Amino acid sequence: EPEVTQTPSHQVTQMGQEVILRCVPISNHLYFYWYRQILGQKVEFLVSFYNNEISEKSEIFDDQFSVERPDGSNFTLKIRSTKLEDSAMYFCASREGGLNTEAFFGQGTRLTVV
Amino acid sequence: DQQVKQNSPSLSVQEGRISILNCDYTNSMFDYFLWYKKYPAEGPTFLISISSIKDKNEDGRFTVFLNKSAKHLSLHIVPSQPGDSAVYFCAASVYTGNQFYFGTGTSLTVIP
Repeated sequence: EPEVTQTPSHQVTQMGQEVILRCVPISNHLYFYWYRQILGQKVEFLVSFYNNEISEKSEIFDDQFSVERPDGSNFTLKIRSTKLEDSAMYFCASREGGLNTEAFFGQGTRLTVV
Repeated sequence: DQQVKQNSPSLSVQEGRISILNCDYTNSMFDYFLWYKKYPAEGPTFLISISSIKDKNEDGRFTVFLNKSAKHLSLHIVPSQPGDSAVYFCAASVYTGNQFYFGTGTSLTVIP
């Protein structure tokens, strides 16, 4: 069964460093997402991406964040200068497109900023 | 601004009984609703969905009910099994948008 894969599963980084979280969405999907969940808190939307551009983004997704689909298969989330409060599980998701289709999530990357 | 709310953070049910998980929303533009199941250290897994033109959708042991006038949906699991123990998130989206709005989750424990 097709699945969304994320790497790495766990990333530890020093505050102020740049991190890139990687995702391979399901191949025929058209919409791509990043969500995050800070420990004990709700799942929060970061950004959606369609047709090679950001279609929606939340207030969390400030200038420190960027997304890219560099090669037609990978979908990356870059955090330019990490802060302690960026520590969270980051989930990538993809959706087929069309009306009323569900998003499929990856297993997540646990980002720990120290 | 929490547009999707799950007011019960946890629920315990005996094996074989019915589990009812509730979700309320505030945005009348939501027209597609989903339930996801999440185990620790894993991503959310899609469980069942319902569009706003329906009031009930059933898939095996799982049934989702939608009450648009009350802006309320619920997930029924019958019979509940220990493997159903997980955190359940409801989510909603607007026809014209891409974003899924998630509730805060309800942790279900099914007691053998």
